[in-house]
Amino acid sequence: EVQLLESGGGLVQPGGSLRLSCAASGFTFSSYAMSWVRQAPGKGLEWVSGISDNGRNSYFADSVKGRFTVSRDNSKSTLYMQMNTLRAEDTAIYYCAKTFTTSWYYDYWGQGTLVTVSS
Amino acid sequence: DIQMTQSPSTLSASVGDRVTITCRASQSINTWLAWYQQKPGKGPKLLIYKASNLESGVPLRFSGSGSGTEFTLTISSLQPDDFATYYCQQYNSYSWTFGQGTKVEIK
Repeated sequence: EVQLLESGGGLVQPGGSLRLSCAASGFTFSSYAMSWVRQAPGKGLEWVSGISDNGRNSYFADSVKGRFTVSRDNSKSTLYMQMNTLRAEDTAIYYCAKTFTTSWYYDYWGQGTLVTVSS
Repeated sequence: DIQMTQSPSTLSASVGDRVTITCRASQSINTWLAWYQQKPGKGPKLLIYKASNLESGVPLRFSGSGSGTEFTLTISSLQPDDFATYYCQQYNSYSWTFGQGTKVEIK
């Protein structure tokens, strides 16, 4: 059974940093690209970042470019996102999502981790 | 970036109704479109990929159609478990974008 378990969310002050993790199991992690998608309270889904299966290529939404980085450790089946210079508008539930083969749509999602940016 | 626009934003319907949700892309995305269902407090669930392909395990009452810039998700006979929010997503080109969502409510 595919499982994606996010962690690392919490309350952080504006300008602060946070590192999210997503522990994957139930599939060959190193064979699939992965993404982070967020959802602000009461709002819709926003794609945030993506990383290729081997970690060589990463992609970011304009709203986080230059502030967020994404990485993966295929030996640990874990996806990461380092979030720096956080803003109030980054407050959201962050979901880890697995792509389906070579296409950037998502067949499995985690339960999400809440990031709150507030003083 | 490609913009995705869903309509309506909210839809009130009864059990047994046929329901149609529309998703429009700001430029052609061929058939590179997915549909998701999300319930409160849960991550989204994949329903349809490549515009019209039903994900394994998804009930046959769900169907998708369209190509280019116009797409639809249809629920042929709405069931109690279908009251949720639905999102389209284009994966034709980076950056991958979602529609704003359509909430299906009980009438």
